[in-house]
Amino acid sequence: GAGVSQSPRYKVAKRGQDVALRCDPISGHVSLFWYQQALGQGPEFLTYFQNEAQLDKSGLPSDRFFAERPEGSVSTLKIQRTQQEDSAVYLCASSPWGYVGTEAFFGQGTRLTVV
Amino acid sequence: ELKVEQNPLFLSMQEGKNYTIYCNYSTTSDRLYWYRQDPGKSLESLFVLLSNGAVKQEGRLMASLDTKARLSTLHITAAVHDLSATYFCAVVEPSGSRLTFGEGTQLTVNP
Repeated sequence: GAGVSQSPRYKVAKRGQDVALRCDPISGHVSLFWYQQALGQGPEFLTYFQNEAQLDKSGLPSDRFFAERPEGSVSTLKIQRTQQEDSAVYLCASSPWGYVGTEAFFGQGTRLTVV
Repeated sequence: ELKVEQNPLFLSMQEGKNYTIYCNYSTTSDRLYWYRQDPGKSLESLFVLLSNGAVKQEGRLMASLDTKARLSTLHITAAVHDLSATYFCAVVEPSGSRLTFGEGTQLTVNP
């Protein structure tokens, strides 16, 4: 597809369950970003990849959160032992450059609800 | 730590009226973005402002940037219902590796 694709669009997880969220960036895009958006808030940075290298993971809220991009294209955000406070929309964005540059294209997000 | 503040957070206006949304940020940055978000949807890029004094216009929306004051404005002219959405400003951190977003301004345009 032409845009950033995320799956699943919606995920309901029981507290304590592990989840994996997938992001397919725009083909050829060097940079990939994950953001967390709580209800009624602006997106908050989680982590940044340049190709397969995770250059900044300072926004990950705890060691239960883990992200990878092994081949420099598709990325997975994994949350272990989910908690209710993890409920949010998780947004993925990609950029053609090795930094945010003049454009970051966002996917539609995965809405995670932890019950 | 870079902080981005928007005001107002909620804005209800009548069709045909003008209004301005303000975005202040705390540290030097050379790029500022405005995004629109409709309920349940992702972020749609509206403007990228790259330099002091930059002004961009698209339809009824006009954005400007004053890097010395660390202030951007999004001006709405003769609002129409279709502009109802949440508007975010976002600033690139000096490292270039992340965007820091404001809290968003929820705009409702009433007939």
